[in-house]
Amino acid sequence: QKEVEQNSGPLSVPEGAIASLNCTYSDRGSQSFFWYRQYSGKSPELIMFIYSNGDKEDGRFTAQLNKASQYVSLLIRDSQPSDSATYLCAVKSEGGSEKLVFGKGTKLTVNP
Amino acid sequence: DTAVSQTPKYLVTQMGNDKSIKCEQNLGHDTMYWYKQDSKKFLKIMFSYNNKELIINETVPNRFSPKSPDKAHLNLHINSLELGDSAVYFCASSHSAGLALAQETQYFGPGTRLLVL
Repeated sequence: QKEVEQNSGPLSVPEGAIASLNCTYSDRGSQSFFWYRQYSGKSPELIMFIYSNGDKEDGRFTAQLNKASQYVSLLIRDSQPSDSATYLCAVKSEGGSEKLVFGKGTKLTVNP
Repeated sequence: DTAVSQTPKYLVTQMGNDKSIKCEQNLGHDTMYWYKQDSKKFLKIMFSYNNKELIINETVPNRFSPKSPDKAHLNLHINSLELGDSAVYFCASSHSAGLALAQETQYFGPGTRLLVL
């Protein structure tokens, strides 16, 4: 059973701080990694994807991937109250179906 | 224009009834999905179709039957609804079922909130 693990939180940070969201996965063959943001009552929307080891930056968001440790993270710099949401880590394996396996999500609250 | 749309948005029904949820995407994507998100927010894939062909069929009761009349539509029919079917059902789509692009992105519809009484 391929699993994706996230701390469910809630994670609470003050406005302007760095929020760090972590995710580990069990399938060593996984190649593509996605971070989705889901506001309460809304659908998931893609924040970032990463498939190479290292860091990938997009504005205030940085995704970090370490395939040897089977670990992927999302950093949000200068956190804003509008970043308050549940962040879902999703992992896709190569050589099989197009299935994304999602973690249970980490709820982030940014306090003004 | 909504990229991935679902109807209805809300569905309240009695146990034992049969209901359908419809999904349409106007993105020109080849692959469509159905996900179930339970009360604990766990999002889990149920089915996937590529160009009207079933490619993913997770362990789902056979009361759930997907149907894809064309690659822009994927409907979900549920027979004999049970209390445990209450959840939010999301439709999603992506460009291709092929694995040529590691960074394939799935786009989600707004969800259908199903409540079985």
